[in-house]
Amino acid sequence: DTAVSQTPKYLVTQMGNDKSIKCEQNLGHDTMYWYKQDSKKFLKIMFSYNNKELIINETVPNRFSPKSPDKAHLNLHINSLELGDSAVYFCASSPLSGQGVTDTQYFGPGTRLTVL
Amino acid sequence: GENVEQHPSTLSVQEGDSAVIKCTYSDSASNYFPWYKQELGKRPQLIIDIRSNVGEKKDQRIAVTLNKTAKHFSLHITETQPEDSAVYFCAARLQGAQKLVFGQGTRLTINP
Repeated sequence: DTAVSQTPKYLVTQMGNDKSIKCEQNLGHDTMYWYKQDSKKFLKIMFSYNNKELIINETVPNRFSPKSPDKAHLNLHINSLELGDSAVYFCASSPLSGQGVTDTQYFGPGTRLTVL
Repeated sequence: GENVEQHPSTLSVQEGDSAVIKCTYSDSASNYFPWYKQELGKRPQLIIDIRSNVGEKKDQRIAVTLNKTAKHFSLHITETQPEDSAVYFCAARLQGAQKLVFGQGTRLTINP
């Protein structure tokens, strides 16, 4: 369970605040992701980093800024939080296959963000 | 880009019966198809996956079948148990791509 970890587990904050979520993986994987899961349970990818380099940036407001200080860590900073940002945010990591593409993804425990 | 449709959105079966969840994908170049199980309040966890060079894969009570011609794949759970109750997600990875595209999820309820 500690292979991919996230902090905090719960985050309750006021609209307009800025907050960060942290993710760490000790699996030695090259690629890390941020997903948003809304109230309908839909899993939507937001960002992906491969060895500290941004490789996927889906249509996400620029209030969301990922940062990868090293390949074991991927953080998500959110500015000017809005009600619609309330969701569960999952971090995930995956190794690269021999063909250089992502393989099985392992998810963190999630961070439940509630914006009041 | 790839699009994955998953059906049904909810499924209720009697304990001991079988459950089948189906997914279709749009891009014939997709070559990797994992299935994830997400229990209430927990993270999605991989339960089985299949690659495009294989038609079927089985792991105890769980099996996945892939029909590349029709571009659909299915999850089969036999002898269902209460602990199988969860939300199940299918996903597809486009060949050479760095991301998975997930289906909308199926909430499976096993009735005792």
